[in-house]
Amino acid sequence: EVQLVESGGGLVQPGGSLRLSCAASGFIFTNYWMSWVRQAPGKGLEWVANIKQDGSEKYYVDSVKGRFTISRNNAKNSLYLQMNSLRAEDTAVYYCVRIWIRTFDHWGQGALVTVSS
Amino acid sequence: EIVLTQSPATLSLSPGERAALSCRASQSVSSYLAWYQHKPGQAPRLLIYDASNRATGIPARFSGSGSGTDFTLTISSLEPEDFAVYYCQQRSNWPPITFGQGTRLEIK
Repeated sequence: EVQLVESGGGLVQPGGSLRLSCAASGFIFTNYWMSWVRQAPGKGLEWVANIKQDGSEKYYVDSVKGRFTISRNNAKNSLYLQMNSLRAEDTAVYYCVRIWIRTFDHWGQGALVTVSS
Repeated sequence: EIVLTQSPATLSLSPGERAALSCRASQSVSSYLAWYQHKPGQAPRLLIYDASNRATGIPARFSGSGSGTDFTLTISSLEPEDFAVYYCQQRSNWPPITFGQGTRLEIK
């Protein structure tokens, strides 16, 4: 069974940093692109970032470029999102997602990030 | 960037009725469109990929159709557990990966 378990969410002040982690199991992690998708309160789904199987390609939504960094550790079957210079508008539930044929086929339960003073 | 527009924003129906949700793309995405179901407090779930293929474990009452710029998700006979928010997503041209704004399916 595919499992994606996020951790590292919490309350952070504007301008602060936070690192999300995602532990993957139940599939061959190195075979898949991985992604982070978020949902702000009362809003829809928004893709945040993607990373290729070997980490050689990374893509970001414009609103987080230069502030967020996606990475992975294939030896640990883990995905990460380093979030710097956080803003109130980054407040959201962040989902770790597996990509299959450019479609999001398995999702974690999400980690809540709240940016507030 | 391909913009996806879903309609209606909210659909009010009763269990047993048929639901038809629309997703329109700002340019052709061929058949590269997916549909997701999202319930409060739960992870989103992939329902349909490549416009008309049901994902693993998805009941046959869910079907997808369309190509190019116009797509429809149909639920043939609504069950109580089908009331949720539904999103479409294109994979034709990325990045960026884009979602529609969602259709809320509520009990009438």
